[in-house]
Amino acid sequence: DMKVTQMPRYLIKRMGENVLLECGQDMSHETMYWYRQDPGLGLQLIYISYDVDSNSEGDIPKGYRVSRKKREHFSLILDSAKTNQTSVYFCASSFGTGGEQYFGPGTRLTVL
Amino acid sequence: GEKVEQHESTLSVREGDSAVINCTYTDTASSYFPWYKQEAGKSLHFVIDIRSNVDRKQSQRLIVLLDKKAKRFSLHITATQPEDSAIYFCAAASSGSWQLIFGSGTQLTVMP
Repeated sequence: DMKVTQMPRYLIKRMGENVLLECGQDMSHETMYWYRQDPGLGLQLIYISYDVDSNSEGDIPKGYRVSRKKREHFSLILDSAKTNQTSVYFCASSFGTGGEQYFGPGTRLTVL
Repeated sequence: GEKVEQHESTLSVREGDSAVINCTYTDTASSYFPWYKQEAGKSLHFVIDIRSNVDRKQSQRLIVLLDKKAKRFSLHITATQPEDSAIYFCAAASSGSWQLIFGSGTQLTVMP
């Protein structure tokens, strides 16, 4: 069953708090991604991971960091969350690069 | 860097008619052009893609056209059905980075 999971699905945090978003996939995909989706802006790539401990910045990495210690798991960390990080965050995975990406259900993060 | 512009933010068609969504890109090195569908309140899933070595690709009722000279690609949905109603995102990636740059999305409504 090809699946990308995200936890939590909804999260409310106060400005300055730390946030951990978790993503898992059961397809043994090498490549994983974190995006954020804001109204009218489509999806913007935050980080891409090509495999364990092989991570690269995307278009908007500022204020975020990632961790990938196992192939099936990819975390997004916000140290000291800001109100402008309120968004819907999607994780995705793919077999290699340049092909179909499988998206998780998303996490709606609100930073007050 | 690459920019992808999606020209129609909303599109309404009658059931059975065709729908066309147009996108343009800026980077001549872009070689991979996928389309994703997002139903209301749900995640994205892949619908079809085209690579720069062809100018047309069809999968059932979906046709993608690519005009490299004009740096334009389009999604044609024939014989539309109510379940085609969703937001459609175009994207582009170059063979160098394989990082997808998404358009801002087109809300397609198919009216019965």
